[in-house]
Amino acid sequence: AQSVSQHNHHVILSEAASLELGCNYSYGGTVNLFWYVQYPGQHLQLLLKYFSGDPLVKGIKGFEAEFIKSKFSFNLRKPSVQWSDTAEYFCAVIPAGRRALTFGSGTRLQVQP
Amino acid sequence: DAGITQSPRHKVTETGTPVTLRCHQTENHRYMYWYRQDPGHGLRLIHYSYGVKDTDKGEVSDGYSVSRSKTEDFLLTLESATSSQTSVYFCAISEVTEGEQFFGPGTRLTVL
Repeated sequence: AQSVSQHNHHVILSEAASLELGCNYSYGGTVNLFWYVQYPGQHLQLLLKYFSGDPLVKGIKGFEAEFIKSKFSFNLRKPSVQWSDTAEYFCAVIPAGRRALTFGSGTRLQVQP
Repeated sequence: DAGITQSPRHKVTETGTPVTLRCHQTENHRYMYWYRQDPGHGLRLIHYSYGVKDTDKGEVSDGYSVSRSKTEDFLLTLESATSSQTSVYFCAISEVTEGEQFFGPGTRLTVL
């Protein structure tokens, strides 16, 4: 079945550590890619998106992601995390011609002060 | 934040009772979606709408129905709630089918 995989389910980091969260998808062809963040008790907010062009995209709050088409990956990175980055992060994909997103199962990030 | 509200925000109900959740938008976006969020599953699509009276099923549509009689409102109905439908339900909207989605605040539903 076509899917989106986030292999890191729970990540614990200390402040100032670097972050990389993996996202792989199994759709062929053109896709639009997203990373959403959900802070505790809140709704999902868009961190960044990739539709086309430069495969390295920058989002809000210092996050970036790199689209590697050959690896079907869209990993999220941040050079130095803060305690306020504690949240759950979701990768989502929508193939061309589809009408709805498919989400990964999420990665819970805990940043310790 | 996009103008999306959900009501109720919290609900506790009993098995076998009907439940309707409402999503209201003020953005005039064409596409509206209902997701459920469960630990370890991320968000899973229940139903979506691509226009007034135009709806389609998502990944986990069994036991749910939807209606959209106006652009701004998208209703999700559980005809006979079951404990497996205990979840957090999120509504989302988007302007174009392949664009970013904006999410509402969620409804926490508990079925006893």
